[in-house]
Amino acid sequence: DGGITQSPKYLFRKEGQNVTLSCEQNLNHDAMYWYRQDPGQGLRLIYYSQIVNDFQKGDIAEGYSVSREKKESFPLTVTSAQKNPTAFYLCATQRGQDDYGYTFGSGTRLTVV
Amino acid sequence: AQSVTQPDIHITVSEGASLELRCNYSYGATPYLFWYVQSPGQGLQLLLKYFSGDTLVQGIKGFEAEFKRSQSSFNLRKPSVHWSDAAEYFCAVVSSSGYSTLTFGKGTMLLVSP
Repeated sequence: DGGITQSPKYLFRKEGQNVTLSCEQNLNHDAMYWYRQDPGQGLRLIYYSQIVNDFQKGDIAEGYSVSREKKESFPLTVTSAQKNPTAFYLCATQRGQDDYGYTFGSGTRLTVV
Repeated sequence: AQSVTQPDIHITVSEGASLELRCNYSYGATPYLFWYVQSPGQGLQLLLKYFSGDTLVQGIKGFEAEFKRSQSSFNLRKPSVHWSDAAEYFCAVVSSSGYSTLTFGKGTMLLVSP
């Protein structure tokens, strides 16, 4: 079945460590997005990529980095510079310019202790 | 910049009663509007979307939404709520055609009482 795989589902890290969240899709969708979700805050855009080897900052990119070396993969690194990294992270894809309905992964809950 | 407001953080509805979740947007031109639903610990699922044409949009799971330009609103409705509808609901807007990022409201948590 086609879909988006986010792994791991739960992730624990010590403060000061970098951590990478995986997002893989087999939908052949062009665009990929990373959102952060905090209780009562809705979803806030971190980074997005419309084509391979290109990506743009979203509203809250500070302390995060991404890469898009393959169409299928869009990993997110939460660096030690991110002041409050504990959150639920959602990856999404968009099929093309004429399709506005995102497809979401099931998320990764990151807890930094 | 575009924005979305969901005025109700929580709403409690009795099972079988009707439901209306409010959404107001701020954008100068005609927006593209969406409603998503999220169960706890899960991703978001698209319920319905509005691009143009008929202002009453039908979605999955018996939901519908009505676009009212004069009120800058896109409220979600369901005639009879089921216990399985308990979840968080997000309204979202995208500003233009092509690749555009979705801007989400902060969500409304729906609780269904027996």
